[in-house]
Amino acid sequence: QVQLVESGGGVVQPGRSLRLSCAASGFTFSSYGMHWVRQAPGKGLEWVAVISYEGSNKYYGDSVKGRFTISRDNSKNTMYMQMNSLRVEDTAVYYCAKGNNSPGHWGQGTLVTVSS
Amino acid sequence: QSVLTQPPSASGTPGQRVTMSCSGSSSNIGINTVNWYQHLPGTAPKLLIYSNNQRPSGVPDRFSGSKSGTSASLAISGLQSEDAADYYCATWDDSLKGYVFGTGTKVTVL
Repeated sequence: QVQLVESGGGVVQPGRSLRLSCAASGFTFSSYGMHWVRQAPGKGLEWVAVISYEGSNKYYGDSVKGRFTISRDNSKNTMYMQMNSLRVEDTAVYYCAKGNNSPGHWGQGTLVTVSS
Repeated sequence: QSVLTQPPSASGTPGQRVTMSCSGSSSNIGINTVNWYQHLPGTAPKLLIYSNNQRPSGVPDRFSGSKSGTSASLAISGLQSEDAADYYCATWDDSLKGYVFGTGTKVTVL
């Protein structure tokens, strides 16, 4: 069965960096696009970024463009999100999700807290 | 703020039919298919409807979706207590070149 496990969350100060990982299993990882979606406390779902199956195409939400970088290593069945210049408003649960055009199956999420 | 607008809340008694809307524009719903997600706080969101009106395997046929022009809707018939959750519509936006979620509708089972 499809399994997605996020890791790398934690508490970080504003302006610092953090890298999230999403380990995938139960499907042919290299055949699917992958997404990051987040939910800030008390807020709705916000799409963050998507990467194509082979990693050549990447799109970002306006709020993270220029600060976050999505990547993947198909040999390790893992997707990443490098988050730089973190802001208090980046505090959220970050989910990874499988899907070429849209998020289908989701992981349980990892909490990122940006606070001084 | 989101480019897809949903009513903040909806409610019904067990067995009733509940519907919720999702209003977009010509750059998103008008030209792309709509998906719906169910989200219980603290859990992974679940894909409920894809391609406007298709249910993934395992999703009860009580859930149905439709789309007309720049709007979409989700209906839950035979409402059950376990349907209490947040529901989000979503689609690709060609102008933003990104995936967009609706503002979300909280369903309460009275």
